[in-house]
Amino acid sequence: DQQVKQNSPSLSVQEGRISILNCDYTNSMFDYFLWYKKYPAEGPTFLISISSIKDKNEDGRFTVFLNKSAKHLSLHIVPSQPGDSAVYFCAAINQGGKLIFGQGTELSVKP
Amino acid sequence: ETGVTQSPTHLIKTRGQQVTLRCSSQSGHNTVSWYQQALGQGPQFIFQYYREEENGRGNFPPRFSGLQFPNYSSELNVNALELDDSALYLCASSIRGRGNYGYTFGSGTRLTVV
Repeated sequence: DQQVKQNSPSLSVQEGRISILNCDYTNSMFDYFLWYKKYPAEGPTFLISISSIKDKNEDGRFTVFLNKSAKHLSLHIVPSQPGDSAVYFCAAINQGGKLIFGQGTELSVKP
Repeated sequence: ETGVTQSPTHLIKTRGQQVTLRCSSQSGHNTVSWYQQALGQGPQFIFQYYREEENGRGNFPPRFSGLQFPNYSSELNVNALELDDSALYLCASSIRGRGNYGYTFGSGTRLTVV
């Protein structure tokens, strides 16, 4: 039962353009969402988060949007840079306070 | 402040054997969670330890067990290894009750079962 889904395994974007990574969830009880970035041979690192009481959170080049009615969130990276190339995981906090991850989307930003 | 460290970084085991993976939590963190990341998948929650007791468990069989020590470090033990146990095992430490859910992950242990 995949409660957090990232349906795009990969995404390729030109440097300077916008990257949009999508995530869907099924459990309406989730009330906190996070995005993590992972480079090969490293653990996931926290990128940005959003509470369900908000619909947008911005941190520099990174913005997360939450649409509760659609159970959908997205991460926007503007402008994209080659150093942003990594695997991005969407995650939700369940009622027990545990992280539930999506499958990940591999972003490739080409110069 | 030191981050989360895991050991070993890689190991190869034979089916049926037992393995112990280790994790040192970040300074000041009192909770440790373990995740299994199979190739091409997201990390799957195995279990969490707080105050040396299991505090939540994912959909993993009992042959996956763990410990947390008074210094908050932790071990993950897997008995009767199966080929499907081959994965990256991630440890994350956090502070229980912290509102921003500040999980810090280690770099993981890559386990290969042959």
